[in-house]
Amino acid sequence: SQKIEQNSEALNIQEGKTATLTCNYTNYSPAYLQWYRQDPGRGPVFLLLIRENEKEKRKERLKVTFDTTLKQSLFHITASQPADSATYLCALLLYSSASKIIFGSGTRLSIRP
Amino acid sequence: DVKVTQSSRYLVKRTGEKVFLECVQDMDHENMFWYRQDPGLGLRLIYFSYDVKMKEKGDIPEGYSVSREKKERFSLILESASTNQTSMYLCASSLGLSLTTGELFFGEGSRLTVL
Repeated sequence: SQKIEQNSEALNIQEGKTATLTCNYTNYSPAYLQWYRQDPGRGPVFLLLIRENEKEKRKERLKVTFDTTLKQSLFHITASQPADSATYLCALLLYSSASKIIFGSGTRLSIRP
Repeated sequence: DVKVTQSSRYLVKRTGEKVFLECVQDMDHENMFWYRQDPGLGLRLIYFSYDVKMKEKGDIPEGYSVSREKKERFSLILESASTNQTSMYLCASSLGLSLTTGELFFGEGSRLTVL
């Protein structure tokens, strides 16, 4: 069956450390993998996208890797801050359907001061 | 600034009622989507539309229908609401894939409670 799994429901990190979130998928052929941030009671906000032929993408303190052999993406936040506390969602944009985007269930990240 | 507006943030309806959730985007996007979000299940795609009057089923279309009569507006309809449709409903839009990489712009969500 097709699945997208994010490594844990919740992750607690000390401020200043690097937070690493994992997204694994099975039986999909994604064109792109996206990461979104969602704050409580709000809609998700797009952060980064990485294509299947890219290994790594960076944006300020964010870094995303994509390994299509392992079927895994890692999302890193360096020098984490309490303001980074939120739920982070990975999403796959699939080849099989031009506009279909499938989401993982998210990881709730808490950064303690 | 891009904007996706959902008509109601909070709704309370009774079992069997017909429910309309409206979504409007002001970005001239081709694609529009309806997701529901439940704890532990993430966002699940109900329906999406890639053009006016065009629609495709997502992963959980049962109990829902949609309407897209104008490019900027995408409506989700619950013909006969049931308690298991209590959820957060999120509308999103995106440009056509030939133009961009599928980034979704979301509304703030509509929290529906069915009693």
